[in-house]
Amino acid sequence: AQSVTQPDIHITVSEGASLELRCNYSYGATPYLFWYVQSPGQGLQLLLKYFSGDTLVQGIKGFEAEFKRSQSSFNLRKPSVHWSDAAEYFCAVGALAAGNKLTFGGGTRVLVKP
Amino acid sequence: KAGVTQTPRYLIKTRGQQVTLSCSPISGHRSVSWYQQTPGQGLQFLFEYFSETQRNKGNFPGRFSGRQFSNSRSEMNVSTLELGDSALYLCASSLTGSDTGELFFGEGSRLTVL
Repeated sequence: AQSVTQPDIHITVSEGASLELRCNYSYGATPYLFWYVQSPGQGLQLLLKYFSGDTLVQGIKGFEAEFKRSQSSFNLRKPSVHWSDAAEYFCAVGALAAGNKLTFGGGTRVLVKP
Repeated sequence: KAGVTQTPRYLIKTRGQQVTLSCSPISGHRSVSWYQQTPGQGLQFLFEYFSETQRNKGNFPGRFSGRQFSNSRSEMNVSTLELGDSALYLCASSLTGSDTGELFFGEGSRLTVL
């Protein structure tokens, strides 16, 4: 069975500082990996996805993520955080055969200090 | 282009009652997925419908059911409500059944069971 672990429940970062959110997955085959963001009272928005190819993927809002097969990780990064990045971030894993059945991690809540 | 619309946004029910939630996907999208979000269990996949057929199902009891209509709108029903069914129910649509995991989420229907 596939699983996703986000080790950090909360992260506080100063505005303008860099941000890295950790994600580790367990999946037998080549996974499809995603990062979604959820602002308070909102649904989830897709930030970026990895299916295959270049292991460094670029997403919206200046985010990027790197797939490391040897570490079963798919960490999300942003060089300079804006106050509007305060939200909850979810890593998810899927598979082609599973359609839109995604397994989500527990989420990391990001707080941005002025 | 209108996003995913979920109704109602908030509702309160008592144990033993049933509830029906509605989801209108983005125009042209044919796949609709449902997820349950709770503080304790996080985001869990309920089911996915594509072209009026259930394509995938999560590990939820039979009290949880859904359907999709010819216009791609979807409903989910929970019968014999339990306190533990209190959650945010998120609907997500995608263009086809093959764009795995690239989901557009609605803002959710928040169900409180008393």
